[in-house]
Amino acid sequence: NAGVTQTPKFQVLKTGQSMTLQCAQDMNHNSMYWYRQDPGMGLRLIYYSASEGTTDKGEVPNGYNVSRLNKREFSLRLESAAPSQTSVYFCASSEASGLAGGQYTQYFGPGTRLTVL
Amino acid sequence: AQSVTQLDSHVSVSEGTPVLLRCNYSSSYSPSLFWYVQHPNKGLQLLLKYTSAATLVKGINGFEAEFKKSETSFHLTKPSAHMSDAAEYFCVVSVKGTGKSTFGDGTTLTVKP
Repeated sequence: NAGVTQTPKFQVLKTGQSMTLQCAQDMNHNSMYWYRQDPGMGLRLIYYSASEGTTDKGEVPNGYNVSRLNKREFSLRLESAAPSQTSVYFCASSEASGLAGGQYTQYFGPGTRLTVL
Repeated sequence: AQSVTQLDSHVSVSEGTPVLLRCNYSSSYSPSLFWYVQHPNKGLQLLLKYTSAATLVKGINGFEAEFKKSETSFHLTKPSAHMSDAAEYFCVVSVKGTGKSTFGDGTTLTVKP
């Protein structure tokens, strides 16, 4: 039982390049999330998926797109990377969100450290 | 709307002394409240959570927190700090029906020998 896994662990991009961050969970959770963590700012929600087939914007969605490929996998894509997207990205999952979900624990992956030059 | 304020960005204690990390929240509805811990270069791990049951919540590694509605607070405490407690701690508020959690900015706990 690996929990939440993320690839890659580290990435360096040049401005304008694109890339996809991968996330998978093996806990049969319905909901998945992408956050970014910047120094002194806590975690900010980029996008989330309440269930397979649905995605919604979070607090800071600009410059990102997501795909909920199936129940296990939730990817985050940067189409044209900018230096402002240098950050640590965390994927998380929980049993549920929405109407029932406020009380559920989120389980986090180890993070992807992205630098955009 | 919901928000959370962690009142101290840094807390330093000596090993064996008590720990207090302070968190105030704002929420239009009955919240769920969480404390997560993040060790260097790691993901976040749940310490404890409050979801409208007992107001005093016990978590892992000897931590506990008390939900005080009148003070809109959810402070994290531990009677005796250990070197392994050195980490960053996040207070999180979540409301049913929103699907979203709001994180505090974090408190860095340093434990001196």
